[in-house]
Amino acid sequence: AQKVTQAQTEISVVEKEDVTLDCVYETRDTTYYLFWYKQPPSGELVFLIRRNSFDEQNEISGRYSWNFQKSTSSFNFTITASQVVDSAVYFCALSEAGHSGAGSYQLTFGKGTKLSVIP
Amino acid sequence: EPEVTQTPSHQVTQMGQEVILRCVPISNHLYFYWYRQILGQKVEFLVSFYNNEISEKSEIFDDQFSVERPDGSNFTLKIRSTKLEDSAMYFCAGGRDSYNEQFFGPGTRLTVL
Repeated sequence: AQKVTQAQTEISVVEKEDVTLDCVYETRDTTYYLFWYKQPPSGELVFLIRRNSFDEQNEISGRYSWNFQKSTSSFNFTITASQVVDSAVYFCALSEAGHSGAGSYQLTFGKGTKLSVIP
Repeated sequence: EPEVTQTPSHQVTQMGQEVILRCVPISNHLYFYWYRQILGQKVEFLVSFYNNEISEKSEIFDDQFSVERPDGSNFTLKIRSTKLEDSAMYFCAGGRDSYNEQFFGPGTRLTVL
C-alpha cells in the first residue's frame, strides 16, 4: 500500500503566484514525522520542513507554509509568491519507527511533484 | 555549514562488477542511511545503520549489497555484482537523532552497462 501519495505529478505556475503541493499519507503509528524535501535540477535533496504527529500547529517560514491535518492525513505545502528558483521536484516524506525496534526512522517518499515556475 | 559528501559523483561500471560508493557524513550524526532513486522515480530506502550495525533494510537491499563504516568517518555501500537495474542515483543521508530530519549528500550516479 502506498504510504505517501502526491497526486499532483506536475504543476506550472507563473512567477509570483502562490502554489500548494498536496500530500496524503498513511500510517498506523501514533508517532510519526512528516517532511518536505526539494530536489532542484542539480539533483541534490534539500530538507525544507519537518512536522511531528503530535503537533498540528501550522506555521509559516518565510515564503513557505504548511498545513498539517491529522483528521484527513494530509500535509500540504504552500509556496507564496513563487520564484523561478523554486522550480524543482518536491517530495513529501513520512518517517515511522522501523519494524526492527532498533530505532531507525527511514523515510518513505512520495513520487514527487514537479513544480515549474514560469517567468 | 557541514555537509554530507559523496564520491564519486558518477560511476560507470560493467554488469557483474563490484562497486563501492563512499560517503562522509556530518561528524556529529549518529544515524546513517542509503537511499536510491531510479531516474525519474521516487527515492527509495535501502538501509539504515546505527551503532556500527544495520538497524533496518528494505527488500531491495539483498545479499548483493553491504554497508560498512570502517573508520568512524566514511560510510560505504558496496554492490558485489552489479546488475543493469542497479543503475540509479544513490544518496547517503545522516541524522543526529533517529527521528529528526535527514541530511542528504549530493548523490552518486551509478550507470551499469
